[in-house]
Amino acid sequence: EPEVTQTPSHQVTQMGQEVILRCVPISNHLYFYWYRQILGQKVEFLVSFYNNEISEKSEIFDDQFSVERPDGSNFTLKIRSTKLEDSAMYFCASNRDTPEQYFGPGTRLTVT
Amino acid sequence: KQEVTQIPAALSVPEGENLVLNCSFTDSAIYNLQWFRQDPGKGLTSLLLIQSSQREQTSGRLNASLDKSSGRSTLYIAASQPGDSATYLCAVRISGTYKYIFGTGTRLKVLA
Repeated sequence: EPEVTQTPSHQVTQMGQEVILRCVPISNHLYFYWYRQILGQKVEFLVSFYNNEISEKSEIFDDQFSVERPDGSNFTLKIRSTKLEDSAMYFCASNRDTPEQYFGPGTRLTVT
Repeated sequence: KQEVTQIPAALSVPEGENLVLNCSFTDSAIYNLQWFRQDPGKGLTSLLLIQSSQREQTSGRLNASLDKSSGRSTLYIAASQPGDSATYLCAVRISGTYKYIFGTGTRLKVLA
C-alpha cells in the first residue's frame, strides 16, 4: 500500500541554522500539508499546498517557514533560522480528492 | 474558533473490556471528523473518517459515531487488546478549509 515517507527521521540542528525537512507524498496525490506536534501538545496545522501554491496557512507559519515542491515527488518544509521553540515532530500529509489525509511517520526536529 | 476536547485524557483498562473514548468540538460547521491512533514517538494512523452527513462508521472492532448538532463524537473499541494501547486522537476538518484541528488525545493502556 502506498505511504507518505519523510526524511530524516530525526534532525538535530543548532539555533539559527536553516533546516529542510523532506517528504515524499503518495504519488498521485495533489494536496500536501505540514503539521507539527510539540512534545506533549496537540498536533497543529501549519500549511496546505495545492497546484504549486500555498492554499492555507496558520498563524504559526510565519516568514521563517517556506514550502516547496521542487520536483514531481518531493515536498519540503524549510525553516530559515531555527529557534528552540521549533523543536517538535513535523508531520507531512497528502491526499487527492478524498477527504482522508494520509500522514507520514514524522521528522523529529531538535534545536539546541 | 474551533476547539476540540477529548475525555478522558488517560484510560487504563483490563484486556477484553469494551470502552468508549469521547471527543467534543465547539463549532458544528465541520466537513468531516477523523480518528487517529498514535504510538509513542510515531506517526498518525487513520482509523476511521466520518463525513459530516454520516452518523457512524465501523471498521473491525472499532465504531465511531458523530452527532454534529451536539458537537460530539465517540470511538467505541470492542473487546480491547494490549495491542490497542496507544494515544487516540480526534481531529475535525472545518468546512471551507483544508486543515484539521486536533484534540489532545486519550492515552489508552490495555492491561494483559
